[in-house]
Amino acid sequence: AQSVSQHNHHVILSEAASLELGCNYSYGGTVNLFWYVQYPGQHLQLLLKYFSGDPLVKGIKGFEAEFIKSKFSFNLRKPSVQWSDTAEYFCAVKGNNRLAFGKGNQVVVIP
Amino acid sequence: NAGVTQTPKFQVLKTGQSMTLQCAQDMNHNSMYWYRQDPGMGLRLIYYSASEGTTDKGEVPNGYNVSRLNKREFSLRLESAAPSQTSVYFCASSYRTGSDPYEQYFGPGTRLTVT
Repeated sequence: AQSVSQHNHHVILSEAASLELGCNYSYGGTVNLFWYVQYPGQHLQLLLKYFSGDPLVKGIKGFEAEFIKSKFSFNLRKPSVQWSDTAEYFCAVKGNNRLAFGKGNQVVVIP
Repeated sequence: NAGVTQTPKFQVLKTGQSMTLQCAQDMNHNSMYWYRQDPGMGLRLIYYSASEGTTDKGEVPNGYNVSRLNKREFSLRLESAAPSQTSVYFCASSYRTGSDPYEQYFGPGTRLTVT
C-alpha cells in the first residue's frame, strides 16, 4: 500500500521568508502526487498536482513542487510567504483506488 | 455548482447513539470517499465508492457503514457512536472511474463530538 511521510509538522516563519515542506512517498506503481491546503476552518483545496511530464509543477498562489523520482520526494516550496499562507498542508499520493495522505504540516506565518 | 456538500456541519452525540452523515456532489463524479481528520493524524480513509453501486473499506472502517444511494449521494452511518469517533469528517469526490481516484474535491466537513 502507498504511504506518505511529511516532516516538521509545525513550521513557524515570518512574512517574506521562504518555505519548503518535505514529502516522501512509497508506492510501486505509476505515481500521481498532490499537495492540498486547508486554511483555518475550511475544507481541503488542491494546491497543485503531478501526473507526468515536467517534474517542476507550479500551482496556485505562487507555490511550486518538484518531483524527484530517485528520492521518492515531492517537496513543496514558496519563495516568499504571506500571512495568508497560514494553513495546514497535506501531501498525498494516489494508488490502488485511493489517495494516501501525509499527517500534514501546520504552517504559521507571523506578520 | 455547489460542488460537494455535507450535512450537518456540527453534531454532538451521546455514546451509543446513531446518526447518518450526508454527502452529495453535483459534478457528475463517479467516485466518492469518506475521511476522518484527527489532529496529527492527517486524513484517513474510512470507506470509498469507486462507482455507483460499489463500496469498499478504507484504512479505518470499523464502527462505520456507508451507502451509495445514487451517483450523487454517499452517506456515512455510525450505528453506535463512541468517543473515539469524535473527529472532523470530510466527504470527497473524483471524476475518474475504476482504479484511478484522480483529483479529489472535498466538502466543508462535519465536526462530530461524541460524549
